[in-house]
Amino acid sequence: NAGVTQTPKFRILKIGQSMTLQCTQDMNHNYMYWYRQDPGMGLKLIYYSVGAGITDKGEVPNGYNVSRSTTEDFPLRLELAAPSQTSVYFCASSRTGDNSPLHFGNGTRLTVT
Amino acid sequence: GQNIDQPTEMTATEGAIVQINCTYQTSGFNGLFWYQQHAGEAPTFLSYNVLDGLEEKGRFSSFLSRSKGYSYLLLKELQMKDSASYLCAVRDDPTDKLIFGTGTRLQVFP
Repeated sequence: NAGVTQTPKFRILKIGQSMTLQCTQDMNHNYMYWYRQDPGMGLKLIYYSVGAGITDKGEVPNGYNVSRSTTEDFPLRLELAAPSQTSVYFCASSRTGDNSPLHFGNGTRLTVT
Repeated sequence: GQNIDQPTEMTATEGAIVQINCTYQTSGFNGLFWYQQHAGEAPTFLSYNVLDGLEEKGRFSSFLSRSKGYSYLLLKELQMKDSASYLCAVRDDPTDKLIFGTGTRLQVFP
């Protein structure tokens, strides 16, 4: 099992550009999450999904969009990138809620200049 | 609203015991997680509490008091490799959002 796979690992964007961060998991997990982590800080929830076709906003959704057309994939779209979106982005999945721990991808380091 | 507080930094000596506290105020509660994160890496799961009391896992233990909105992570027999950030996270009920605190950076010195 590959677990949670994120691509790309690194990306530099110019202000105003758009991009999609890819996330896929092969554990048949229902729940998937996108977090961002600024230097020296904790994780902030951007969007999450409790199953295919269902998505909900987290703490910091502005400037991002998601979709969940399959159980495996949960891409994060950045429209009109801004310097404030410079961060490390982590995708995670879990079997269900309750005591299921999150399995994290290795992260995408994004710089917007 | 949701608020999760942890100390920003702690230091300890190899072989010692350290306790990292986490206090939370959330509209709903369905469990508390502790994660470890080494610099430049993804977080990894350490422990889960949903009922009051102590959960022990080897050198690591985690405690929860739901009435006080309080948890702690206890690390015994500290090793240099325990130098990392420790993240407290609360699962909200009924939304199932998992909200993280700001994390505690622990430095272990010889």
